[in-house]
This record gives sequence, structure tokens and C-alpha cells, in this order.
Amino acid sequence: ETGVTQTPRHLVMGMTNKKSLKCEQHLGHNAMYWYKQSAKKPLELMFVYSLEERVENNSVPSRFSPECPNSSHLFLHLHTLQPEDSALYLCASSQDSGQGGEQYFGPGTRLTVT
Amino acid sequence: LAKTTQPISMDSYEGQEVNITCSHNNIATNDYITWYQQFPSQGPRFIIQGYKTKVTNEVASLFIPADRKSSTLSLPRVSLSDTAVYYCLVGRQSGGYQKVTFGTGTKLQVIP
Repeated sequence: ETGVTQTPRHLVMGMTNKKSLKCEQHLGHNAMYWYKQSAKKPLELMFVYSLEERVENNSVPSRFSPECPNSSHLFLHLHTLQPEDSALYLCASSQDSGQGGEQYFGPGTRLTVT
Repeated sequence: LAKTTQPISMDSYEGQEVNITCSHNNIATNDYITWYQQFPSQGPRFIIQGYKTKVTNEVASLFIPADRKSSTLSLPRVSLSDTAVYYCLVGRQSGGYQKVTFGTGTKLQVIP
């Protein structure tokens, strides 16, 4: 149990649908992350929130819209996706320790766009 | 952030010690070295982290030479359940969060 949960675990959606991915962390961390992992590719950082403020947006298309209503919850709103957006979407959290530290990952949402 | 380079894949027999080396020539003074393990369709899991010299925990050791331009993850007596992808990261705390970049990782296959 990592303390980071993601729902749903699997999602199939058409290109015209709107859906949302949810992430919740029970660790009291102050930073949360969205990553995308496509088949046989390294993890790509999409967004970072620190203290509920977006601090990184790595050139992600506008069809992906993040939301961080509080320090425990993170959403990724999806609309008009493309088949190449099919991937494992991972959420992570971390605590600002001033030094190193680790990111705690959730189990991911396996997204298939048809 | 410094780019990391590690072998794409490795094979090992059960019970052997496995050493995976990562190069990070452009590591900055404030950067830490972190290793993660990832099983298929799961999120990465933290293994170990260090800044310099040697760090050991209950699952692995991390060796970092004085120039810090490389690091070696050592897994003692691997078992079949250690088959996974291992990522070496160089990163730092900045603005209240961690700036890291995942590379392609090393796929370790443990053979019976």
C-alpha cells in the first residue's frame, strides 16, 4: 500500500468523450505529479503541483487539463483525446524535505482511446 | 538536469548479486541520485537514494564514487521477483517539489 490511490484503474473512452482521472494521497505530502507512460517509453512528466499551485506544465496538449482542489487530491480532465494518448497515467506525491526525498506513485490508470 | 545513461537490459541467475551502473556526467552539486523499481502496469517504487559514498538499506546498496559522475545499484542475491525495470534518476528539490527526469531504465531479467 503506497498511500496514493488512483481511480479508475482502467478506462476506455472514445475520442469525443470527456472523462476524469482521480488521484488521492493519504501521506500529507505537499507536491503532486502527473506522469504519462506510453508503451516501451520512459515516464514523461506532465504536470506538477506544489501547495496546490501548478508549478510545471511540460508542453502538454490542452486536451489534458489538471486540477488540484486541495493538497490531497489531483485530477486530470480529459477531452477529445487521440488514440496516441493511450497510455498508463501515473500520479505521484512527495514531501518538500529540503534535501532529497522520494516520490510515492499510485498504481496508475490504464487509458485506452478508441 | 543531468542526463542518465544505463544499460537497456541485463540477465542474471537467481541467487547472484546484480550490479547496475548508471552514468550521469553532468550531475550538479545539489543533485541526488535515486533508483526506482517498476513492475509491468504498476507505478515505480523507490529503492534507494544517495548523495555520495555508499548507502545501504534492507533491499539494496548504492555506491557513488567521489566524482559522482556515475553510480552503481547493487542487489544482493536476486530472486525471480526482482525481475523488473530499474530507473536511475538524478534530481533535486526545487520550489517545493522534486525535479527529476526518468530515463529508459534497465530491464533486469532474473533467470531460474
